[in-house]
Amino acid sequence: GDSVTQMEGPVTLSEEACLTINCTYTATGYPSLFWYVQYPGEGLQLLLKATKADDKGSNKGFEATYRKETTSFHLEKGSVQVSDSAVYFCALTTRGTASKLTFGTGTRLQVTL
Amino acid sequence: DADVTQTPRNRITKTGKRIMLECSQTKGHDRMYWYRQDPGLGLRLIYYSFDVKDINKGEISDGYSVSRQAQAKFSLSLESAIPNQTALYFCATSGDGSGELFFGEGSRLTVL
Repeated sequence: GDSVTQMEGPVTLSEEACLTINCTYTATGYPSLFWYVQYPGEGLQLLLKATKADDKGSNKGFEATYRKETTSFHLEKGSVQVSDSAVYFCALTTRGTASKLTFGTGTRLQVTL
Repeated sequence: DADVTQTPRNRITKTGKRIMLECSQTKGHDRMYWYRQDPGLGLRLIYYSFDVKDINKGEISDGYSVSRQAQAKFSLSLESAIPNQTALYFCATSGDGSGELFFGEGSRLTVL
């Protein structure tokens, strides 16, 4: 079945540091890939997505590239802010699964001054 | 007001009690989902529905039931709560098959 593996947290960074959160996947067919973010006390919200190989999703300074050859979708940001502190979830859905998302376990990011 | 509203936001109950978590949405979406979030396990799908007459089990439906009362309302019930159902529950909606979901703020359930 489909699965998503992402790096364990927590990840603690100083403000303005570079961020990479690794995500790899296993899927039948050609999945669409997503990063969702959960701020403290809130529900998840879509951060970015990519629907085919080599697509790059980007939003709020974050970006991720759909790498079919390595089955990866790593999340990156060049300079994190305290306001980026949240839990980040990698997820996928494949055609015919009724937009049911398979989520990774989440990675908590803590950014300090 | 939030587009996806869950009630209650927090609930503490005892083993064996019946609990209902409610979800309502103003986004006009047909697709609605219930997920459960546990630390270290991410989100897991409990049930989903594409319209009032369409209810489908997710990967962890045992011990849960749902009701789609209207396009805008989707309720999750625990007929006889047990402690390992202590978790954060999320309702979500989708307007298409793109995989973009819109989540409520969550309902934290504690079963003693």
